[in-house]
Amino acid sequence: SYVLTQPPSVSVAPGQTARITCGGNNIGSKSVHWYQQKSGQAPVVVVYDDNDRPSGIPERFSGSNSGNTATLTISRVEAGDEADYYCQVLDSSSDRLWVFGGGTKLTVL
Amino acid sequence: QLLLQESGPGLVKPSETLSLTCTVSGGSISTRNYYWGWIRQPPGKGLEWIGTIYYSGSTYYSPSLKSRVTISVGTSNSQFSLKLSSVTAADTAVYYCASAPQGYILTGYYIYWGQGTLVTVSS
Repeated sequence: SYVLTQPPSVSVAPGQTARITCGGNNIGSKSVHWYQQKSGQAPVVVVYDDNDRPSGIPERFSGSNSGNTATLTISRVEAGDEADYYCQVLDSSSDRLWVFGGGTKLTVL
Repeated sequence: QLLLQESGPGLVKPSETLSLTCTVSGGSISTRNYYWGWIRQPPGKGLEWIGTIYYSGSTYYSPSLKSRVTISVGTSNSQFSLKLSSVTAADTAVYYCASAPQGYILTGYYIYWGQGTLVTVSS
């Protein structure tokens, strides 16, 4: 089955840029989605289809996807961005299987 | 905008069947516009996809849970359900229902989520 690999944690100072990676075999051929989950809350999609943002999500959130790595970039990080972030793809190689990465804890120093 | 709400027992005994319902407001289950899914999150752990259903009745299940999972559309146009059989303590988790839009193509992101419901498996 398809596997997505994320670093367990990323730390960044306020105002700096955070980059969270998501690795997968030829992930560049798939659409990657990113969710933000704050403590005790349901996940919220912050980037979908590699680099689209739902309404209400700041432009500071962006994504890229190429080769074997997708990246969520958060510019001008704020304290309120501290959360767990998950990448996700739909693996349609044999059937439709939704796959989540293991999650990355973003700490704002 | 859709609102989703999970409901069901918060405590299930080992070896029994976990049953949850997701009630959708602001739209109908019987639409080509969305796929309807279940995702769970054990305490302190990451998200795990359980399965997804389309209005046509097509279902897609996680290979690791497939033998124990059934997702179905309710008799009303506003509910779909999850059944997970032979539960153990490892099935203790917050269970979320969510919807994925079917646009020009299905890319599978969940745009709307319920608030989640904690189900504990214990005798």
